[in-house]
Amino acid sequence: GEDVEQSLFLSVREGDSSVINCTYTDSSSTYLYWYKQEPGAGLQLLTYIFSNMDMKQDQRLTVLLNKKDKHLSLRIADTQTGDSAIYFCAEKVPGNMLTFGGGTRLMVKP
Amino acid sequence: GAGVSQSPSNKVTEKGKDVELRCDPISGHTALYWYRQSLGQGLEFLIYFQGNSAPDKSGLPSDRFSAERTGGSVSTLTIQRTQQEDSAVYLCASSLGRAGGTPYEQYFGPGTRLTVT
Repeated sequence: GEDVEQSLFLSVREGDSSVINCTYTDSSSTYLYWYKQEPGAGLQLLTYIFSNMDMKQDQRLTVLLNKKDKHLSLRIADTQTGDSAIYFCAEKVPGNMLTFGGGTRLMVKP
Repeated sequence: GAGVSQSPSNKVTEKGKDVELRCDPISGHTALYWYRQSLGQGLEFLIYFQGNSAPDKSGLPSDRFSAERTGGSVSTLTIQRTQQEDSAVYLCASSLGRAGGTPYEQYFGPGTRLTVT
């Protein structure tokens, strides 16, 4: 079945760039997403990328997609303490539901 | 406008009891999803409703779990004879589904934290 994997934890200093990585297995994925979950809150869609793209930039966020290797990354430029949260990558599989990774906890140190 | 709402926000129940969790999707969203987030784990898909089509129940972990969606809007997730392993945050999401809203962006509610003692 489908499986989406992420590293569990990332720690960066304020002002540095953060790169969160994700691998997925379903080659039929059409869209891939990054969600952010702050403590006690629901999931907030940050950005998405269509599978025929290899890069998408949205302000401080850059998404890179290597479809051959089924590798997705999220780069956050000039990381701020408010970026501390859990970041989930997800792929849209046939049937429209999302398959999520386990989440990467990003800690930003001042 | 109003987002996805869920109730209750927290529920503590004794093992063996039945519980009902409610989700109010965004008005006009034809698709509704239930996910479960267990401690230290990612989100696990449970069930998906799209319009008047038969729901996709492929993610339900056992026959103790069921869900219905009345009038194409509000949904209730029912867990019968709860077990301790059912303790998790249950998240509901809605989207415009196939009618539009590329790329089927799912809007999530705040979740219901279920604790089975």
